This record gives sequence, C-alpha cells and structure tokens, in this order.
Amino acid sequence: GESVGLHLPTLSVQEGDNSIINCAYSNSASDYFIWYKQESGKGPQFIIDIRSNMDKRQGQRVTVLLNKTVKHLSLQIAATQPGDSAVYFCAENIHNYGQNFVFGPGTRLSVLP
Amino acid sequence: GAGVSQSPRYKVAKRGQDVALRCDPISGHVSLFWYQQALGQGPEFLTYFQNEAQLDKSGLPSDRFFAERPEGSVSTLKIQRTQQEDSAVYLCASSRLAGTSTDTQYFGPGTRLTVL
Repeated sequence: GESVGLHLPTLSVQEGDNSIINCAYSNSASDYFIWYKQESGKGPQFIIDIRSNMDKRQGQRVTVLLNKTVKHLSLQIAATQPGDSAVYFCAENIHNYGQNFVFGPGTRLSVLP
Repeated sequence: GAGVSQSPRYKVAKRGQDVALRCDPISGHVSLFWYQQALGQGPEFLTYFQNEAQLDKSGLPSDRFFAERPEGSVSTLKIQRTQQEDSAVYLCASSRLAGTSTDTQYFGPGTRLTVL
C-alpha cells in the first residue's frame, strides 16, 4: 500500500459526533482483522476484532464493518470523546497461516472541543 | 496487573554500535512478538516466539537483527552494527495462548532507538 510516512491521514471531528475511520487491506486471503488504538508514547491497544465470516461486529461505542468484496474495513466510533484522540491502525491476518499481522498505515483522529 | 514492559524506553546509538532491547512480557504468556514501527507508520512484524522457540523470524530485515527468549519469558532483541535506517520504535507484545492469532496481543510502550 501507499506509504504515508510522516503525513498520516487525519480525521478531525467535533466532540460528541460520530467518527468513521477507513482501511483498505491488502490480502484477499486475510480472514481475521483487528483495529488498534495507539496514543502518543504508548503501544497499540486492542479495540475490536472481526472474522471474515462476519460483516459487522459491535462493541462498546465502536462498530467494525467488513466488506470483503472491496477489501475494506471501517471503524465507527459513536459519540466521540477527547480520550478517543489517537492514531488508529487496522491489522490483517490469515489466522490458520501464522502469527504475522500486517498493519495499515494508520489514521490520526483529532477530537475538537 | 503488570503489563508488558520494555527497557530502555529510549536508546541513542552511534552508527556501528550494537544495541540490546529488552522485553518483559506478561507473566505466563506463551507467545511473544517483536515489531518495528518507523515514524508515522504502522508496526511491522519482526519475529514470533512460542515459549523459548522462535517459530517465525521472517520479518527480521537483515542478519544484523537477532532475537532470543532463552527461558521462555524475557526476550532480547539485538541489533548489531546499527545503521541510521534502524531508527524506529521497537514494540514487544505478548499473548496468553500459543499458536492462536486471534488471541489478544498486549503491547509494551516500545523502545525508541535513534541511530546517529
């Protein structure tokens, strides 16, 4: 995929609005996907996962949508809060193949007061 | 409880020096992973251990990179003859189970390596 380097895509949303972060994954054989949140100076933190036999999964304030036809994953965050400000990564894996996860380039979410 | 810890948090090395980065996984976790994260990019897989066995080292970029986990707990990532392109954050993660990629990985805070 395209290398973003220092210029991460940024999504700015007003506090209380819903956020949608998108990810295009690379391998049509991938069958397991995770969204991670990474705050400055910290390691990635698991948010939600989805297997390829599902197209939607909901957690607390978060929903992941999977479209295998176009190899697209999205993360929806409801009622976005200042604490949601972070970089969000999707990661893909072929779960019977190995432990190797491939991460996307990331999107920076900025929540405006 | 204690999470994954890494030390040092920051390391500055002169080009050509050897460095060793330490990871203390969550106690009892069987699986351990190392990732390299360049500035502004997503983590890239380096290597995977199941207990003391290194089962996948396909992501190690060169033979200057070496990882070990001799007793199946603490792991060390060693980089010999560091180069400027080695500058990155090195992340360690552990998970409770073996051989199950769907098991949650818990990440440490990373070691930021800067090679001058």
